[in-house]
Amino acid sequence: KNEVEQSPQNLTAQEGEFITINCSYSVGISALHWLQQHPGGGIVSLFMLSSGKKKHGRLIATINIQEKHSSLHITASHPRDSAVYICASMRVNTDKLIFGTGTRLQVFP
Amino acid sequence: EPEVTQTPSHQVTQMGQEVILRCVPISNHLYFYWYRQILGQKVEFLVSFYNNEISEKSEIFDDQFSVERPDGSNFTLKIRSTKLEDSAMYFCASSGLTGPEGWGEKLFFGSGTQLSVL
Repeated sequence: KNEVEQSPQNLTAQEGEFITINCSYSVGISALHWLQQHPGGGIVSLFMLSSGKKKHGRLIATINIQEKHSSLHITASHPRDSAVYICASMRVNTDKLIFGTGTRLQVFP
Repeated sequence: EPEVTQTPSHQVTQMGQEVILRCVPISNHLYFYWYRQILGQKVEFLVSFYNNEISEKSEIFDDQFSVERPDGSNFTLKIRSTKLEDSAMYFCASSGLTGPEGWGEKLFFGSGTQLSVL
């Protein structure tokens, strides 16, 4: 079993839909990152969370430390949101990020 | 927004040759990382670097790999004798206490170097 599991693996949506991507991790962490990987391969950091909730524009990320679970929400999705979304956990007392396999999101007009 | 720069964008090499992948992290960042992604697979951590030394490395980062910060700006990954299985996209990233509030711990990635070992 992977230390970081994401679901779903693939997600298609119509423009305007509310999107949720889930991430579960199996060991205690100091932080969890949400990243976006564009079709060209480039990676952009969206959020770093250690507790609670963060919001940036149409993106919201939440984390529940007790349940070892995080979610990334996209409100009013748009075709330009189409990308692979990756969660990555950082164990306590380490610099090492453990990556999930990613969720491929396609938003159609 | 500040940028991490990686060169070259593509590198083709023969098995057994040495390659050096170059990165210019964001100025004033303190933490530097190399990751790799084999085609179709997830991103993997290779090494982290802080205060001019390796702070952590993965099992992948064996004696064939080394990192260096030769001057105040460049951060390099050297693979001494490349193998076919080293073919991957290599990403450099940096983070540190810089930029507007909330950016301090954010990771900034370079656009990657696609390494092909023939």
